[in-house]
Amino acid sequence: EADIYQTPRYLVIGTGKKITLECSQTMGHDKMYWYQQDPGMELHLIHYSYGVNSTEKGDLSSESTVSRIRTEHFPLTLESARPSHTSQYLCASSEYQGGSPLHFGNGTRLTVT
Amino acid sequence: DQQVKQNSPSLSVQEGRISILNCDYTNSMFDYFLWYKKYPAEGPTFLISISSIKDKNEDGRFTVFLNKSAKHLSLHIVPSQPGDSAVYFCAASVSGSARQLTFGSGTQLTVLP
Repeated sequence: EADIYQTPRYLVIGTGKKITLECSQTMGHDKMYWYQQDPGMELHLIHYSYGVNSTEKGDLSSESTVSRIRTEHFPLTLESARPSHTSQYLCASSEYQGGSPLHFGNGTRLTVT
Repeated sequence: DQQVKQNSPSLSVQEGRISILNCDYTNSMFDYFLWYKKYPAEGPTFLISISSIKDKNEDGRFTVFLNKSAKHLSLHIVPSQPGDSAVYFCAASVSGSARQLTFGSGTQLTVLP
């Protein structure tokens, strides 16, 4: 069973604040991903990592940054939140790249006022 | 340019009947396809997948059909149950691709008791 955890589940924050969304997995997966999703829309890949010290930007341009210092931890940071960052952020991991199923966390619903 | 399309945003079906969810894709390089199910306030969970070397894959009440010539896949749920009410995402990938999955925008399935 997949174990991937995201905190916080919900976050309401004012414009200009710095925020970090946490994501941890206990499966030892090398591959981790951040997706952004708005209601009724597809999931868009914003960052991915294939292992420690490896991070790449995804298809959707994002002002967020990520780090991968430990295999199990893949936090996402916004230095200065704006209302346009309001969205749901989903973290995922997988054992292999390409077609292997992703295991998702429950997401963080971010609202920037 | 959306490479994976789910043209029906919503579908309502009576309990016990068949649910058919459709997905079209444009990238002929895709060779692995997955369906995910998402409840509100939770992350997507993997449901079923199919490789391009097959045209059908079955798992209990769920069957996925792939028509490569039409670039079309469908998910059949028989019989449908109220607990199946969720958003269903179709996803596709190129095996070995560095960028994992491309998602459709989802179909909200409502199974009426």
